[in-house]
Amino acid sequence: QQQVKQSPQSLIVQKGGISIINCAYENTAFDYFPWYQQFPGKGPALLIAIRPDVSEKKEGRFTISFNKSAKQFSLHIMDSQPGDSATYFCAAVTSGTYKYIFGTGTRLKVLA
Amino acid sequence: DTGVSQDPRHKITKRGQNVTFRCDPISEHNRLYWYRQTLGQGPEFLTYFQNEAQLEKSRLLSDRFSAERPKGSFSTLEIQRTEQGDSAMYLCASTPPRTGAYEQYFGPGTRLTVT
Repeated sequence: QQQVKQSPQSLIVQKGGISIINCAYENTAFDYFPWYQQFPGKGPALLIAIRPDVSEKKEGRFTISFNKSAKQFSLHIMDSQPGDSATYFCAAVTSGTYKYIFGTGTRLKVLA
Repeated sequence: DTGVSQDPRHKITKRGQNVTFRCDPISEHNRLYWYRQTLGQGPEFLTYFQNEAQLEKSRLLSDRFSAERPKGSFSTLEIQRTEQGDSAMYLCASTPPRTGAYEQYFGPGTRLTVT
């Protein structure tokens, strides 16, 4: 019940296309859902996050869509660029615990 | 704001040796976390501190692992009698003291290789 399932495992997108990564969870006590970007040899960097009282959040080319009833959330990267090529992780955290439960990651490659 | 720093960035050690890693969080961040990340996987929670108090430890943190944050600033993670299975990236993160803040800012990690 503590897992966060992430798909796809890898994704190849043409430059300018839309990259979509999905995550699903079971624990309804999760109340904060961040997305992280990680380049090889680096630590994860916070991209965008959402709370379950909001269905969508947009920051620049990055959008989180959140479906509370389906217990799913997704990251959309608009106008994908080669510099977006990285591994993306979704995560979830329960109020008061502060520890992140991470998905297994999606390796994104954007072709020039 | 210099970000979370970790030292060393890389450590190669022989099985059975002890290693210690250091994490310096962002200034004034009161919560500090340690995670372990193996190749191709997401980070896994190990432990976290609020100021100097260690509030939660994962079952992943065996008796060979110990973490401290003596003055509520930097933290150390020690692994005793290292095993090859300990080879991983060890990540540190911190969170600002704002009520309801959940965002975690990660350092660059320490990559441990046990030979």
